[in-house]
Amino acid sequence: GESVGLHLPTLSVQEGDNSIINCAYSNSASDYFIWYKQESGKGPQFIIDIRSNMDKRQGQRVTVLLNKTVKHLSLQIAATQPGDSAVYFCAETSAGGTSYGKLTFGQGTILTVHP
Amino acid sequence: GAGVSQSPSNKVTEKGKDVELRCDPISGHTALYWYRQSLGQGLEFLIYFQGNSAPDKSGLPSDRFSAERTGGSVSTLTIQRTQQEDSAVYLCASSLGQGINSPLHFGNGTRLTVT
Repeated sequence: GESVGLHLPTLSVQEGDNSIINCAYSNSASDYFIWYKQESGKGPQFIIDIRSNMDKRQGQRVTVLLNKTVKHLSLQIAATQPGDSAVYFCAETSAGGTSYGKLTFGQGTILTVHP
Repeated sequence: GAGVSQSPSNKVTEKGKDVELRCDPISGHTALYWYRQSLGQGLEFLIYFQGNSAPDKSGLPSDRFSAERTGGSVSTLTIQRTQQEDSAVYLCASSLGQGINSPLHFGNGTRLTVT
């Protein structure tokens, strides 16, 4: 079936570095993508989203890039801080589903930021 | 304001017993979702409510799983005759609507352990 997957299960960076987390998706009908951050013992927290009619969107210290040609999504975190250490999930959904809240999640990438 | 609240936060039960997991969504959120997070399967969609109706139950793994929502608010996920493979974190999320501008807000989940 259709799925969303991540290239790297773990990423370790130094505080202050920029981080890039990648995600590949296979459902060409997907038209909405979201990045979530999950800290230990907590539920996923919304970071940033992007629609398929865009290729870049910026938030505070975060940027999401979408390449529909190769079905690739990335999350860039600028000046990574220890508080950014968490598991990051990409998720996709489409207008063809029952709801935009019915998400297909990737496996997750563990980001560790060293002081 | 209060976020999505789930109870209990942890539940240990014996194989074969029934369990009920509760979700209190954010006030005013009409859409409610249940997801399951397990080591082997990642984050999986279970069921979606719009108001008290469930237009999409496609993610429920078996007929031992059921859910209801009353008063357009509280939802209960029931697992009958629990099995060890039911052990997972059960996450509830709510959103204002089902459209693209209604991001999901997740609770911290109920960690279910079936012994």
